Amino acid sequence: GDSVTQMEGPVTLSEEAFLTINCTYTATGYPSLFWYVQYPGEGLQLLLKATKADDKGSNKGFEATYRKETTSFHLEKGSVQVSDSAVYFCALRSYSGGSNYKLTFGKGTLLTVNP
Amino acid sequence: DSGVTQTPKHLITATGQRVTLRCSPRSGDLSVYWYQQSLDQGLQFLIQYYNGEERAKGNILERFSAQQFPDLHSELNLSSLELGDSALYFCASSVGAGGANTEAFFGQGTRLTVV
Repeated sequence: GDSVTQMEGPVTLSEEAFLTINCTYTATGYPSLFWYVQYPGEGLQLLLKATKADDKGSNKGFEATYRKETTSFHLEKGSVQVSDSAVYFCALRSYSGGSNYKLTFGKGTLLTVNP
Repeated sequence: DSGVTQTPKHLITATGQRVTLRCSPRSGDLSVYWYQQSLDQGLQFLIQYYNGEERAKGNILERFSAQQFPDLHSELNLSSLELGDSALYFCASSVGAGGANTEAFFGQGTRLTVV
């Protein structure tokens, strides 16, 4: 079945450091890929998405490129801020039969940014 | 604020008991999804309803059930509760039934603690 594997955390960085959170996936067909962010005490929010190979999703300084050849969707940010401290989830949406699609999440990576 | 409302925010109950979690989707959204988030299993999809009908089923236990009412709000019923059911339960909603690019909007979750 479909699966998403993301790097285990926690990840601790200093402010202005470069961030990479790795995400690889296994899926049949051509899934859409997402990064969600969960700030403390809140629900998940969509951070960015990419719907086909070589697409780059970007938002709030974060970027991720849909790499079909390596089945990856790594999240990057050039200079993190304390306010970026959160849990980040990689996810894919894939066709599950009929007219249905399902959203599969990775286990999440906790990012802590220190001033 | 995602527009998805979940109540209650916190729930503490004893083993063997039954609880009901409630979700009001964003205005205009017809789909409701339920997810369970635990430390060891990550974010697991439980079930989806679309316009009152069950649309997709994930890793939902037989002790759990859900329904979506004519006003589109949804309830997740958990019975014969066990310690291992302690988790954060999220509801999400989307406009359609869940196409490839569908964005799901998440509520803040209900934290269930079974003692």
